Amino acid sequence: AQSVTQPDIHITVSEGASLELRCNYSYGATPYLFWYVQSPGQGLQLLLKYFSGDTLVQGIKGFEAEFKRSQSSFNLRKPSVHWSDAAEYFCAVGAHGGQNFVFGPGTRLSVLP
Amino acid sequence: NAGVTQTPKFQVLKTGQSMTLQCAQDMNHNSMYWYRQDPGMGLRLIYYSASEGTTDKGEVPNGYNVSRLNKREFSLRLESAAPSQTSVYFCASSLAGGGGYNGQFFGPGTRLTVL
Repeated sequence: AQSVTQPDIHITVSEGASLELRCNYSYGATPYLFWYVQSPGQGLQLLLKYFSGDTLVQGIKGFEAEFKRSQSSFNLRKPSVHWSDAAEYFCAVGAHGGQNFVFGPGTRLSVLP
Repeated sequence: NAGVTQTPKFQVLKTGQSMTLQCAQDMNHNSMYWYRQDPGMGLRLIYYSASEGTTDKGEVPNGYNVSRLNKREFSLRLESAAPSQTSVYFCASSLAGGGGYNGQFFGPGTRLTVL
């Protein structure tokens, strides 16, 4: 079965600074990997996904993530953070055809003006 | 295209009352899910439906029942609400079981308080 860890519970960055949120997964085969964002009081919105091909994937809102098989990682990055990026971010791993779609515990991002 | 819709948005119940949370999707997805989200506990799967006519238990099914009414609709019922069921409930759907390579798509949530 899959598992996901997000080592950072809470990260604070200044507006305009770069951001990297870490995600590590455990899965025997090639995983399907996802990042979601949840703004306060809202549902989860899909930011980006990886299932094959180019290991650097682009998503919405200027986010990108890089799949590194050797490190079992799928870290989320953004070159310049905006105050509206303050939210909770969830990494998830899925497997096609199975019912296991596992979410990480989430990383809460705070943005200083 | 509304995506995944949930009703109601907010609900307050007394202990022992029953209610049904409604969920519908218009993306022609095959699989649907109910999660609960609690502080410090992340998202936990209550029940899922891999396809129309099938339902299965997730991680925390006790105290809940579900009905996959048709391909579009998946309801969650609390027969006798307890304070431990105070939570935010999310419905999600996916084209393929588990999410496949498109992932799961979420509704806006129902905030339930049980007094």
